[in-house]
Amino acid sequence: EADIYQTPRYLVIGTGKKITLECSQTMGHDKMYWYQQDPGMELHLIHYSYGVNSTEKGDLSSESTVSRIRTEHFPLTLESARPSHTSQYLCAIGDKFTDTQYFGPGTRLTVL
Amino acid sequence: EDKVVQSPLSLVVHEGDTVTLNCSYEVTNFRSLLWYKQEKKAPTFLFMLTSSGIEKKSGRLSSILDKKELFSILNITATQTGDSAVYLCAAVINTNAGKSTFGDGTTLTVKP
Repeated sequence: EADIYQTPRYLVIGTGKKITLECSQTMGHDKMYWYQQDPGMELHLIHYSYGVNSTEKGDLSSESTVSRIRTEHFPLTLESARPSHTSQYLCAIGDKFTDTQYFGPGTRLTVL
Repeated sequence: EDKVVQSPLSLVVHEGDTVTLNCSYEVTNFRSLLWYKQEKKAPTFLFMLTSSGIEKKSGRLSSILDKKELFSILNITATQTGDSAVYLCAAVINTNAGKSTFGDGTTLTVKP
């Protein structure tokens, strides 16, 4: 198990605003992931990282960007939010020795 | 393109019934298969399977992997209302980051 935190938990924001979703962990895990999940739908990997200064795009095309300057933090940024970005965003960390991923509580984003 | 297919998409049973959830996968460079349970928020880890034919068991839940036929099953015996959730299956590919491709999930509803 590992502690993983996401903030904010809920966010309602207007179109065109820049937003950053925070994800942090305390156990020094190298592998971190961002998923997007619409209600009742599957998880789509949008970004991942396997260490500081390493980030990759996932399978789902996304207008968001990520950074990994420190091991503990993996923030996701939307430069200009649109209603199509309305979704739940889940951050996960990968176990050091297995493929198990532990998920944060998620951020539910609504763009008006 | 990597693909994970779960069936059935939804299932309604009564307490005490036994259910079997299916997951088939087609991924390049497969490494492991994971099962998660998702209730209201984030998925929680159930099992990780890497070897064929070895059953993993936790209480009333068990799972097994067949790497020749490329599928896994999750069994739940003596179901309870607390088992109601979406059950997700994910195939992990053999990379540094351990990327996962998730299926659509099976929504299980257990009625009293």
